[in-house]
Amino acid sequence: GESVGLHLPTLSVQEGDNSIINCAYSNSASDYFIWYKQESGKGPQFIIDIRSNMDKRQGQRVTVLLNKTVKHLSLQIAATQPGDSAVYFCAETGNTGKLIFGQGTTLQVKP
Amino acid sequence: EAGVAQSPRYKIIEKRQSVAFWCNPISGHATLYWYQQILGQGPKLLIQFQNNGVVDDSQLPKDRFSAERLKGVDSTLKIQPAKLEDSAVYLCASSRDRAIYGYTFGSGTRLTVV
Repeated sequence: GESVGLHLPTLSVQEGDNSIINCAYSNSASDYFIWYKQESGKGPQFIIDIRSNMDKRQGQRVTVLLNKTVKHLSLQIAATQPGDSAVYFCAETGNTGKLIFGQGTTLQVKP
Repeated sequence: EAGVAQSPRYKIIEKRQSVAFWCNPISGHATLYWYQQILGQGPKLLIQFQNNGVVDDSQLPKDRFSAERLKGVDSTLKIQPAKLEDSAVYLCASSRDRAIYGYTFGSGTRLTVV
């Protein structure tokens, strides 16, 4: 079946360093990808998205890279701050149009 | 713009009891979604409404779960009878139309079945 997975369940980084969170997806028909941030006790919050006709998109301190050849997605956070500590999910729209979430990576920022 | 409102925030029930969750989407949002998020996992879609009609309920365990969206605004999700494995956070989300962008989640209801 369709699945979206993340490579690492937990990522620990030092404050000020850059963070890279990875995601592998399995549905080559997916055409839209989103990264969400989820803090404890809250719902997922939109961070950045990318369409399949792009390979890179930048936001404020965040960059998403898409490699369709190997079906890989990554989220880069520059100058990671304590407020970035959360669980990060990648999600895709597969050929059904439904939003499918991966398992999540917990980002821990050490002061 | 007010966000997606959900209540209650927390609920503890015994197995075989029934429970209901309520969601008020963002004003003007035609599409409403209910997701189940088990601890440590990503959200999984249970049901999608477009106005007051069901678009997709293929992942909804219909023997015990039901949902409705009367008048195309508020929605309720019910579980009867609850099982231990239903312990999860139930998230409601809404969007202006069926497009994925513009999707906003509520804070969810954390259900514990004991």
